[in-house]
Amino acid sequence: EVQLVESGGGLVQPGRSLKLSCAASGFTFSNYYMAWVRQAPKKGLEWVATISTSGSRTYYPDSVKGRFTISRDNAKSSLYLQMNSLKSEDTATYYCARHKQLGAFDYWGQGVMVTVSS
Amino acid sequence: DIQMTQSPASLSASLGETVSIECLASEDIYNNLAWYQQKPGKSPQLLIYYASSLQDGVPSRFSGSGSGTQYSLKINSLQSEDVASYFCQQYYDYPLTFGSGTKLEI
Repeated sequence: EVQLVESGGGLVQPGRSLKLSCAASGFTFSNYYMAWVRQAPKKGLEWVATISTSGSRTYYPDSVKGRFTISRDNAKSSLYLQMNSLKSEDTATYYCARHKQLGAFDYWGQGVMVTVSS
Repeated sequence: DIQMTQSPASLSASLGETVSIECLASEDIYNNLAWYQQKPGKSPQLLIYYASSLQDGVPSRFSGSGSGTQYSLKINSLQSEDVASYFCQQYYDYPLTFGSGTKLEI
């Protein structure tokens, strides 16, 4: 059974940093592109980052480019999101998601809440 | 960036009815479109990919269609467990973008 379990969320002050982790199991992690998707309270879904199987290629929207860094450790079947210079608008539930071969997200974690507030 | 315009924002229907949700892309996305269901307090779940392919385990009352810039999700024979928000998403080009969602009530 595919499982994605996020951790590392919490309350953080504006301008500070936070690192999210996602532990994957039930599939060959190194064979899949992985991603982070977020959802602000009572809002829609926003793609945050994608990383290739080897980690050599990463993709971000302009809203987080230069502040967020996605990375992975295939030996540990783990995905990470380093978030720097956090803003109040980064407040959201962050989901770890697996990319299906054609690009859709076929498995999602349960999500972890990040609150950016002073 | 490719904009995804989803309609309606909310929808109320009766058990057993058939409903449709539309998604309009700002440019041709060549069927690179997915539909997700998100039940209250839960993570999104993939229903449809490549515009019309049913994800494993998804009931056949869900179907997707469309091409070019216009796509739709149809739900036949509405059931109580279909109460959820539904989102479309294009994966033709980065940045990956979602529609704003449709809240379905029974």
